[in-house]
Amino acid sequence: DTEVTQTPKHLVMGMTNKKSLKCEQHMGHRAMYWYKQKAKKPPELMFVYSYEKLSINESVPSRFSPECPNSSLLNLHLHALQPEDSALYLCASSQGAQSGRRTDTQYFGPGTRLTVL
Amino acid sequence: GQNIDQPTEMTATEGAIVQINCTYQTSGFNGLFWYQQHAGEAPTFLSYNVLDGLEEKGRFSSFLSRSKGYSYLLLKELQMKDSASYLCAVRVGFSGGYNKLIFGAGTRLAVHP
Repeated sequence: DTEVTQTPKHLVMGMTNKKSLKCEQHMGHRAMYWYKQKAKKPPELMFVYSYEKLSINESVPSRFSPECPNSSLLNLHLHALQPEDSALYLCASSQGAQSGRRTDTQYFGPGTRLTVL
Repeated sequence: GQNIDQPTEMTATEGAIVQINCTYQTSGFNGLFWYQQHAGEAPTFLSYNVLDGLEEKGRFSSFLSRSKGYSYLLLKELQMKDSASYLCAVRVGFSGGYNKLIFGAGTRLAVHP
């Protein structure tokens, strides 16, 4: 089973709204990732959590706030977004293994299509 | 800096073979991944190379030359459902607790009857 689930599938929000994106995996993976993908562009890394601790923040604006409540869940809290933040937000997870022996592939969820009005 | 180049678009005929190239110049290398992404969907894992040579998986094969900074994805017996974007991704960081991927812009493949 390599399933990562994300909710909601679609989200429309105004610039003054507060909303959250949710991601869940039950593969026992210890690393979880948030990516942003604009149309016809590659995914861009936003945040990485490893063993429930924030390991990478790719200089993401503070209107995006990640949270990892436990090893299976990852949230992305959104507040005061701009129209240019409209994109597909992808969550991924990987086992978090030592290099040299394992692929440690990142498996992606189906994404949340976000539109900011 | 990080630079990963792929052709933007390719077209091919059903039943044919197509090769999608990827060249990279990155600060660090710890493996190269190929993902398939249908429009509006999540990327799905296709293949992984960390050593030089060819990895074969059914209709898909992937090749890596680390000295040349070069990889290709070979798709055989093309089917209409293979129409998708193909993303080349280089792992530039691997701490043991997580890994960091840099993606190329992707190659949009259109398969025609």
